[in-house]
Amino acid sequence: AQTVTQSQPEMSVQEAETVTLSCTYDTSESDYYLFWYKQPPSRQMILVIRQEAYKQQNATENRFSVNFQKAAKSFSLKISDSQLGDAAMYFCAYEESDFGNEKLTFGTGTRLTIIP
Amino acid sequence: EPEVTQTPSHQVTQMGQEVILRCVPISNHLYFYWYRQILGQKVEFLVSFYNNEISEKSEIFDDQFSVERPDGSNFTLKIRSTKLEDSAMYFCASSGGDSYEQYFGPGTRLTVT
Repeated sequence: AQTVTQSQPEMSVQEAETVTLSCTYDTSESDYYLFWYKQPPSRQMILVIRQEAYKQQNATENRFSVNFQKAAKSFSLKISDSQLGDAAMYFCAYEESDFGNEKLTFGTGTRLTIIP
Repeated sequence: EPEVTQTPSHQVTQMGQEVILRCVPISNHLYFYWYRQILGQKVEFLVSFYNNEISEKSEIFDDQFSVERPDGSNFTLKIRSTKLEDSAMYFCASSGGDSYEQYFGPGTRLTVT
């Protein structure tokens, strides 16, 4: 079974600084998708960024970018120019699929605090 | 922008009672999911649904749980006889159309007393 590990239960960063959240996963598959979801205090799950395993190029979405290391099975999230609204739980998620639309396996999350 | 909606936002029920949690997925999506999150824990997969049948279910999804798509828009999760340990946030998600990403609803907080 696939597993997703987030080894940092909590992280904090000064406003406007950069922070990196770690995620590793275990799979024997070659095709899969990886995601970062944000969960603010409202508990809504918001998709932040996605990465297809077959793409070597790291995904970027405005201030959010990933460092995808397929051989190392590592998928970290970098948040640049941190803002107060970035404070939330961040979950890394894995989806095994050739076509998409399969179940997500989540990590245990990292709580990110932004220091004004 | 289309979104997944869920009702109610909060449901309180007594142990042993039946509850139905409702979801309206994004209209052109074909794949539907239920997840749950016990307070302070990670999000766990319960069940996926496609073409009017269950595609996959987890070990959590036992005989007390069932899902249904009663019409063209709603997707429901029924818990037949609730237990205290069913207290959690329940998220509905949908995907499909031209995208594989799963979009989550705002969740239903279920409290079993």
